[in-house]
Amino acid sequence: AQRVTQPEKLLSVFKGAPVELKCNYSYSGSPELFWYVQYSRQRLQLLLRHISRESIKGFTADLNKGETSFHLKKPFAQEEDSAMYYCALSARFGNEKLTFGTGTRLTIIP
Amino acid sequence: EPEVTQTPSHQVTQMGQEVILRCVPISNHLYFYWYRQILGQKVEFLVSFYNNEISEKSEIFDDQFSVERPDGSNFTLKIRSTKLEDSAMYFCASRGTGWETQYFGPGTRLLVL
Repeated sequence: AQRVTQPEKLLSVFKGAPVELKCNYSYSGSPELFWYVQYSRQRLQLLLRHISRESIKGFTADLNKGETSFHLKKPFAQEEDSAMYYCALSARFGNEKLTFGTGTRLTIIP
Repeated sequence: EPEVTQTPSHQVTQMGQEVILRCVPISNHLYFYWYRQILGQKVEFLVSFYNNEISEKSEIFDDQFSVERPDGSNFTLKIRSTKLEDSAMYFCASRGTGWETQYFGPGTRLLVL
């Protein structure tokens, strides 16, 4: 079974401070991990995926297979980072349904 | 940039009524999905659709639910006899081939009274 855990429902960080959103997963096969973001009144959009190894809007995430984690990090938070963040997992091969975590609402304090 | 669209944005219905939620995926995409999010809960997979048939469905997707791609552009989710617990935000998503990711629509908020 696939499972994604985001332990923090709410996270508040001061502008300019580092951000870390935690994500742990459970999957027996070879997973693909994603971070999706939902800004206020907007649709879910992909922030990054582990296979592309890109840094988007200053965010990075490293897949740690030993700890089964895919934490999202940014060294200096900006006010526009306030949003809902969802970690998601899919099978590497298959029809790629996404299994989501419960999400973390990030608020950046000016 | 092409986007997935969904109509209506909001729908209110009485328990027991049928509803049809509509989605227009990105035009060259081949894989289609429905997800739902009950208020305060996680986004849950309902069904995936490829080559004019369901490729996978979740336990939530029971006989009350059906999907269709009636005209090559729309992708619909029908709930035959709505229940109170069907109240949720319903998201459509589509993707192309290979390693492409899923693109989500803005969602339809369904309220069953």
